[in-house]
Amino acid sequence: DQQVKQNSPSLSVQEGRISILNCDYTNSMFDYFLWYKKYPAEGPTFLISISSIKDKNEDGRFTVFLNKSAKHLSLHIVPSQPGDSAVYFCAASQQTSYDKVIFGPGTSLSVIP
Amino acid sequence: GAVVSQHPSRVICKSGTSVKIECRSLDFQATTMFWYRQFPKQSLMLMATSNEGSKATYEQGVEKDKFLINHASLTLSTLTVTSAHPEDSSFYICSALSGGATGELFFGEGSRLTVL
Repeated sequence: DQQVKQNSPSLSVQEGRISILNCDYTNSMFDYFLWYKKYPAEGPTFLISISSIKDKNEDGRFTVFLNKSAKHLSLHIVPSQPGDSAVYFCAASQQTSYDKVIFGPGTSLSVIP
Repeated sequence: GAVVSQHPSRVICKSGTSVKIECRSLDFQATTMFWYRQFPKQSLMLMATSNEGSKATYEQGVEKDKFLINHASLTLSTLTVTSAHPEDSSFYICSALSGGATGELFFGEGSRLTVL
């Protein structure tokens, strides 16, 4: 049973437009959410995070939105750049019980020049 | 920022041999490190949680006698794939918990294991 879901395995966006990557979770105990970016044959790199006490966190071109009632979060990248092409993983954890971080299956983003 | 170094980045070995992969936190102490395995077109699969000075906690379905994890110090965890077989060929990634309220994980670069 997947606790963290990313229902879109891939996404293509034109350069300069907005990329929206979605993530849903089932465990209401999760209170900390993270997005990671991964290039082929490399380890994931941290992008941005959000605590459940917030509904939005912004860092440059990256914004994460959290809708706790819907158990849904999204990552917005604007404007999208070709270098953003990568696999994006959504992850969730409980800050008070940091025994593991649960990752979603990832969404492969292609930004077309 | 915090850095996690993983070594070797690529290793090719013969079937039946053992391979050790190291994961080091370079500028912070990590009481907890995680080992993941990535299958093609799938998510990162958590294999085990490694706590300094104690036995690793393995996820269901992961053979602890095959994937030996040692967390001997606050900056080093090792994964040894014993008696490797071709089906063990995969991309192995470690991560280290930097601690603090954010609970941020920092990942190693990954190790590509190919078993012939």
